Amino acid sequence: GENVEQHPSTLSVQEGDSAVIKCTYSDSASNYFPWYKQELGKGPQLIIDIRSNVGEKKDQRIAVTLNKTAKHFSLHITETQPEDSAVYFCAAPPVTGRRALTFGSGTRLQVQP
Amino acid sequence: NAGVTQTPKFRILKIGQSMTLQCTQDMNHNYMYWYRQDPGMGLKLIYYSVGAGITDKGEVPNGYNVSRSTTEDFPLRLELAAPSQTSVYFCASSYSRQGNMNTEAFFGQGTRLTVV
Repeated sequence: GENVEQHPSTLSVQEGDSAVIKCTYSDSASNYFPWYKQELGKGPQLIIDIRSNVGEKKDQRIAVTLNKTAKHFSLHITETQPEDSAVYFCAAPPVTGRRALTFGSGTRLQVQP
Repeated sequence: NAGVTQTPKFRILKIGQSMTLQCTQDMNHNYMYWYRQDPGMGLKLIYYSVGAGITDKGEVPNGYNVSRSTTEDFPLRLELAAPSQTSVYFCASSYSRQGNMNTEAFFGQGTRLTVV
């Protein structure tokens, strides 16, 4: 099955700075890489995803980059704001076996005003 | 659409008690999942279902049971609660065409369970 590792586990930045969270995956055949945001007391929610046929995708202040050779993908948040404070999870679907996403261990991002 | 609805939101159980965590979705999704999230940890898959009448084990199925008699409902049963089952439980659903996993998963708000 897929194995997903996520770093760092915690990240503190000043408001307006950029934040980068990185994930590595094990199955070279994986072709879909979503990022979820979990606000306090809520369930995770998809914020951006990327498919393996592109190297980068942007949506306003967030972007995801994919390096298939190195088997890693990253979430980039620019001009961070206090409302970006949350736990972020990367995920990858299985290529074989279980039909469910495997999630990374999560990154707690704190944006200091 | 209400999305994915979980009940209850909070529950305290005594060791050895049983309970059922309810999950229902109104998006006509074929895939449904149960994850648990321990403090400061990621999401671990307990069970999942690819359609009514079909369930399968995830990473951490011991101590739990599920059923999927309808497309909408996917209850999670704890038979003999143990302190190790203290966690936040999330139900999720997604639509998968021909087993393709490249679609968004929608999560419920979670059930916070404490076993004492």
